Amino acid sequence: GQQLNQSPQSMFIQEGEDVSMNCTSSSIFNTWLWYKQEPGEGPVLLIALYKAGELTSNGRLTAQFGITRKDSFLNISASIPSDVGIYFCAGQEVAGNKLVFGAGTILRVKS
Amino acid sequence: NAGVMQNPRHLVRRRGQEARLRCSPMKGHSHVYWYRQLPEEGLKFMVYLQKENIIDESGMPKERFSAEFPKEGPSILRIQQVVRGDSAAYFCASSPPTGNTIYFGEGSWLTVV
Repeated sequence: GQQLNQSPQSMFIQEGEDVSMNCTSSSIFNTWLWYKQEPGEGPVLLIALYKAGELTSNGRLTAQFGITRKDSFLNISASIPSDVGIYFCAGQEVAGNKLVFGAGTILRVKS
Repeated sequence: NAGVMQNPRHLVRRRGQEARLRCSPMKGHSHVYWYRQLPEEGLKFMVYLQKENIIDESGMPKERFSAEFPKEGPSILRIQQVVRGDSAAYFCASSPPTGNTIYFGEGSWLTVV
């Protein structure tokens, strides 16, 4: 099956810093989705991207769908303690609607 | 507008028993997905269903696991003769017919003792 490489695996940053994480794939996707998961909860959809080159913001979050359709990044500006969690990228396969997930980026914020 | 509803949230089963996990999709959503998450790991695709139809079950173990999404009622993920390795969080997600926005439920945590 398709593989998504998500990096970094984890980050420990100072409150107020900006954060960047990305995902790359060996195959193209129709849609890129970014989720955040907190302990004991399900993934919550943060941003959805539907077109190559699309740049979308949601508050302090910004994500882009790469031109090649094989990558996406998520930026968080001015991090705060409640940004702590695991961030997952997910790509939707061209054939069928199945979502393939990255392994996640664990974000910790020092206040 | 209710989100994706999963129950039970927590389930404990002894080895050899059966586990049934239920998922009601968001209103207007006709597609359901099941994912499994082991501790400290990402989400692994199991199965993708529409009403009365399995679209993709490439992630389902060949034995003991089955899923259905009947015309009426919730989707059910059934695990027969559970073993300790089945202990995990099982997440259901749903999407509208276009399938390009997928929302997750809060998960069902299965513990096999």
